[in-house]
Amino acid sequence: EAQVTQNPRYLITVTGKKLTVTCSQNMNHEYMSWYRQDPGLGLRQIYYSMNVEVTDKGDVPEGYKVSRKEKRNFPLILESPSPNQTSLYFCASSRLTTGDGYTFGSGTRLTVV
Amino acid sequence: DAKTTQPNSMESNEEEPVHLPCNHSTISGTDYIHWYRQLPSQGPEYVIHGLTSNVNNRMASLAIAEDRKSSTLILHRATLRDAAVYYCILRESGNRKLIWGLGTSLAVNP
Repeated sequence: EAQVTQNPRYLITVTGKKLTVTCSQNMNHEYMSWYRQDPGLGLRQIYYSMNVEVTDKGDVPEGYKVSRKEKRNFPLILESPSPNQTSLYFCASSRLTTGDGYTFGSGTRLTVV
Repeated sequence: DAKTTQPNSMESNEEEPVHLPCNHSTISGTDYIHWYRQLPSQGPEYVIHGLTSNVNNRMASLAIAEDRKSSTLILHRATLRDAAVYYCILRESGNRKLIWGLGTSLAVNP
């Protein structure tokens, strides 16, 4: 089944403790992206990648890092999480063709205390 | 970034057609119009997309105005499972970015 898999689904952590949210897709998509979703603000792009070793900032990149060493994986790294990073995170992938739709993961609900 | 405007909420009855409007007056010539929906506690799900011509797929139809400044997502027969937030989004041709608004929350009455 074609899918984007995120782990974990839920995570509670403490301020400053480094964490990684994994994202993997099995569709050989070139384009991958991370979004965060907050009430009243909608989905905002954190980082995106158009191919292996090619990443770029989205609208809200502060406090986040990403890497794209393999085509299928696009982990989101929070080096020193803070409470304002408490949010619902989604990973998505698509082909590079502009018209193609995104496939989204099921989401990771992160709480930083 | 080109933006879209949608009503905050709409209501429909089961088995009836639903027309969800979207305005995108600042759309550029190469921006695609995408529609996604998000069911409670799930990730967004792709519904349909188009550039200039009307489009149909198994989920819905997309009607695009001739000047491309507005579009309408049509669900031909609403079911209870169609209750979701529907997002009308423009996908930029350069960085492939999706610019998300707050969408339309669709309620379907039995």
